[in-house]
Order: sequence, then C-alpha cells, then structure tokens
Amino acid sequence: TQLLEQSPQFLSIQEGENLTVYCNSSSVFSSLQWYRQEPGEGPVLLVTVVTGGEVKKLKRLTFQFGDARKDSSLHITAAQPGDTGLYLCAGAVGGNYQLIWGAGTKLIIKP
Amino acid sequence: ETGVTQTPRHLVMGMTNKKSLKCEQHLGHNAMYWYKQSAKKPLELMFVYSLEERVENNSVPSRFSPECPNSSHLFLHLHTLQPEDSALYLCASSQDIPGSNTEAFFGQGTRLTVV
Repeated sequence: TQLLEQSPQFLSIQEGENLTVYCNSSSVFSSLQWYRQEPGEGPVLLVTVVTGGEVKKLKRLTFQFGDARKDSSLHITAAQPGDTGLYLCAGAVGGNYQLIWGAGTKLIIKP
Repeated sequence: ETGVTQTPRHLVMGMTNKKSLKCEQHLGHNAMYWYKQSAKKPLELMFVYSLEERVENNSVPSRFSPECPNSSHLFLHLHTLQPEDSALYLCASSQDIPGSNTEAFFGQGTRLTVV
C-alpha cells in the first residue's frame, strides 16, 4: 500500500513565525503536488515539483522535493493569518493516474 | 463564475432517502472525479470519468452511483446511505487523466450528513 505521511497533523503558531511541514513516503513519485484547502472550499493547487532536489518558491512559501523523490517539504517564512488552512500533498506514481494523497497538515496562524 | 461548481453545498439525508449531488465544470476539461474527504484521512478517489467514460471505480459501495451525461456534468446518486458515509464530497476536473503535471481543479464540495 502506497502511503504519504504528512507531519505535523496540526500546527498553531503566531503570526510572523516560520514553519516547515513534511510529506514522506517509502514510494518514489514522478511528481508531487501541494494543495491548500481553506474552510468551506475545495483544495487549490500551490505547486508541482517534478525533479529530485528541486526547490520552488512562491512568495513566502518554499517547496522542496527530496533527491530520491520520496519526500517533500513546505517552508513558510513569516507566516500570516491568510496562510491558515489545510495543506495537502499528493504524489503521482509513473504510469498510474491515481494520485496518492496525504491526510494533510492543519495550519492555524494566530494574529 | 467559478471553474467547478457543486450543488448542494450542504445535505442532510436519512438512511432511506435518495438524493443526488451535482457537479459542473466550465473549464473545458476532459476528466472529472468524485472524491470523499473525511476528517484526518487522505482524500479517497471514488470515480474517474474521462471523455464521459468511467475509467475507475475504486471498490465503492453500490449505494453510490455516478453518472456523467456529458463532459461538463457529473452526478453522484445516493441511496440507502449509512452514517459512516457522512463526509465532504469533492468533485474535481482536469484537462486529462492525471499524469505527472496535471492539475486538478476542485469544487467547494458538498457536506453530507447521513442521519
């Protein structure tokens, strides 16, 4: 069974702090996506990483794909209340169109 | 107008009721999906349609019945559900069946409560 484990499951921090959330698996993925889901909404794609070791930046968000393409991290610098949401990672296995989803990290940024 | 629209947003139904969830996409995508999202669990893929043909049925109980009359519309017909079926049901679409870089666009979901 292919699993994507996300950690931590829940994180509550003050505005302005930095944080990192993780997405880990024993499986190798051809690509990995990060989504953010706000309350009452569906997930929205933030980024797709494809190459092992790849780093992508989206304003204050930095995404990294592990060298072996088994894990990924999301680092947020100077978190803001607008970053609050459920962060989901989803991995694609080559030749299989079904994405493998993590259970998510629920992030709360307090003003 | 949002890309993927789901109705209703909230639904409470008894175990003997029959109801349908509706999804409509205005993105010109060829693939549509139903997912089940339960608290603290990964998204569960239920059904996949590509060009109106069902591609995948992930061992979903027969009390859930999908229908895709055209590439823009997707329905999930519900009957004799169980309380454990209570969850957020998400519809999504993508240009094609997921490959390495296919982005899925999600609707806002239907919050279903079975009583």
